[in-house]
Amino acid sequence: EPEVTQTPSHQVTQMGQEVILRCVPISNHLYFYWYRQILGQKVEFLVSFYNNEISEKSEIFDDQFSVERPDGSNFTLKIRSTKLEDSAMYFCASSDGQDIQYFGAGTRLSVL
Amino acid sequence: DQQVKQNSPSLSVQEGRISILNCDYTNSMFDYFLWYKKYPAEGPTFLISISSIKDKNEDGRFTVFLNKSAKHLSLHIVPSQPGDSAVYFCAASAGGNKLVFGAGTILRVKS
Repeated sequence: EPEVTQTPSHQVTQMGQEVILRCVPISNHLYFYWYRQILGQKVEFLVSFYNNEISEKSEIFDDQFSVERPDGSNFTLKIRSTKLEDSAMYFCASSDGQDIQYFGAGTRLSVL
Repeated sequence: DQQVKQNSPSLSVQEGRISILNCDYTNSMFDYFLWYKKYPAEGPTFLISISSIKDKNEDGRFTVFLNKSAKHLSLHIVPSQPGDSAVYFCAASAGGNKLVFGAGTILRVKS
């Protein structure tokens, strides 16, 4: 069964450092998303991406965040200068446009 | 952001009985609703969904009911099995865009 793959599973970084979280969406999907879940809180939307551009972003997704589809398979989330409050599980999701989004296992980001 | 609420943080059910998980929403623009199941250290796994033009959708042991006038949906699992023990998230979208999640309900099925 096709699945969304995320790497790494756990990323530890120092405050102020840049991190890149990687995702390989399901191969025939065209819509891509990033969500995050801070410990003890809800899963919250960050950004959606379609046709090589951002289609929607939340208030959380400020100038420190960026997304990119560098090739035909990868979808990345970059945080330029990490803060302690960026510590969370980050989930990538993809969709073929039919409403159902399929999620990866997540990357746990720990900012020290 | 309280657009999607799951008011029961946890539910405990005996194996073989029915589990009923509830979800309320406030945004009338939501037109698609989904249930996801999540195990620790894994991502949300899609379970079942329903469009706002329907009031019921069934898939095996799982049935989702939608009451638009009450802005309420529920997930029924019959019969419940120990492997169903997980966190269940209700999510909603408007026009196929971002998902808005509830806080989740921890389901424990006792054998």
